[in-house]
This record gives sequence, structure tokens and C-alpha cells, in this order.
Amino acid sequence: AQSVTQLGSHVSVSEGALVLLRCNYSSSVPPYLFWYVQYPNQGLQLLLKYTTGATLVKGINGFEAEFKKSETSFHLTKPSAHMSDAAEYFCAVSEGEYGNKLVFGAGTILRVKS
Amino acid sequence: KAGVTQTPRYLIKTRGQQVTLSCSPISGHRSVSWYQQTPGQGLQFLFEYFSETQRNKGNFPGRFSGRQFSNSRSEMNVSTLELGDSALYLCASSWTSPGGDTQYFGPGTRLTVL
Repeated sequence: AQSVTQLGSHVSVSEGALVLLRCNYSSSVPPYLFWYVQYPNQGLQLLLKYTTGATLVKGINGFEAEFKKSETSFHLTKPSAHMSDAAEYFCAVSEGEYGNKLVFGAGTILRVKS
Repeated sequence: KAGVTQTPRYLIKTRGQQVTLSCSPISGHRSVSWYQQTPGQGLQFLFEYFSETQRNKGNFPGRFSGRQFSNSRSEMNVSTLELGDSALYLCASSWTSPGGDTQYFGPGTRLTVL
């Protein structure tokens, strides 16, 4: 079974600073990788996903992530944090015969300071 | 296009009761997955349905069951509720096999078991 590790359950940045949320996965084959964001009392919203092809993936709201197979990492970045980015972020990998099961990391709560 | 809808949004039950949660996927989506989210265990996969067939199941007891109808709407049922079943239950839909396809999440049903 695959696993996903998100380093840092809480990350705090100043408004305008770089956002870096770390994600490592365990997989012996190229996986499908996802980043989702969850705002309080809401469901999950997809930020971006990696399937095949370009290893630098651009998502919504200025976020991007780079798939590094050698490091089994898929870190999420944003050059300049905005107050509205404060939320919980989840990294996930798909598995199963049909790739129809998402395995999530524990989540990282991002706090943006003014 | 309407997103994934889940009803009810909030539910309070007592131990020993049973509960049924409903999920309407995005129009045209044929795959529906269910996840449980708790502070202690995080996001965990329950099961996935495609064309009225359960294709994958997570590691949950038999008290958790689900079904999918011909219009792709899905329900999940939890019998003999336990305090530990208190959670946010999220439904997600996708076109066919979620594999690399994006799973779109609903807002969730918050279940509280007293």
C-alpha cells in the first residue's frame, strides 16, 4: 500500500512570502499525484495534479508543484502568500486496480500572517 | 454545471442507530467515491462505485455499506452507530476511473454520534 508523508502539520508564513509545503510519497511506479485544499467547513478543492509529462505542474491560485521521481517528492509552492491562502492542504496519491482510491497525507495547515 | 451535492449537511444520531447519507455526482460522472475524515485518522477511503458496482473498498467494518443507482447517485449507510463514527463524510465523483481523472469533492456531511 502506498503512503504519503507531509512534513509539518502547521506552516506559518508572512503575507507576500514564499509558501512551501512538503510532500513525499512511497511508490515503486510513477504515481498520479494531487494537491487539494480544504477551507473550514468545506469539502476538498483540487489545486493541481500530476499524471504524466511535464514534471512542473501549475495549478489554480498561483500554486505549482514539481514531481521529482528521484526524491519521491511532490512539494507545493507559491511565490507570494495571500491571506486567502490560509487553509489546510492535502497531498494525495492514487492507487488501486483502477487508480480509484486516493491515499492522503495527514494535511498541513497553512497560516498566513499579516 | 452543478457540483457534487451531499445531503444532509449535518446530522446528529445516537449510538446504535443507523444513518443514510446521499451523494449526487456532477452530471455525466459515473464514478463515486466516499471518504471519512476525522481529526485522528485523517482522510480515509471507504469505497468506490462505478456503474452501480462497487469496485474498491477500504478497510472499514461491514457496518459501512453503500450503493449506487442507475443515475449514478450514491448512498452510504452506517448501521449500529458508534461514537467513533463521528466524522465528516465526503463524497467525490469523476468521469470514469478516477485513476488520473480528477475527483471532485462535495461539501461533506458532518455526522455527530452521541
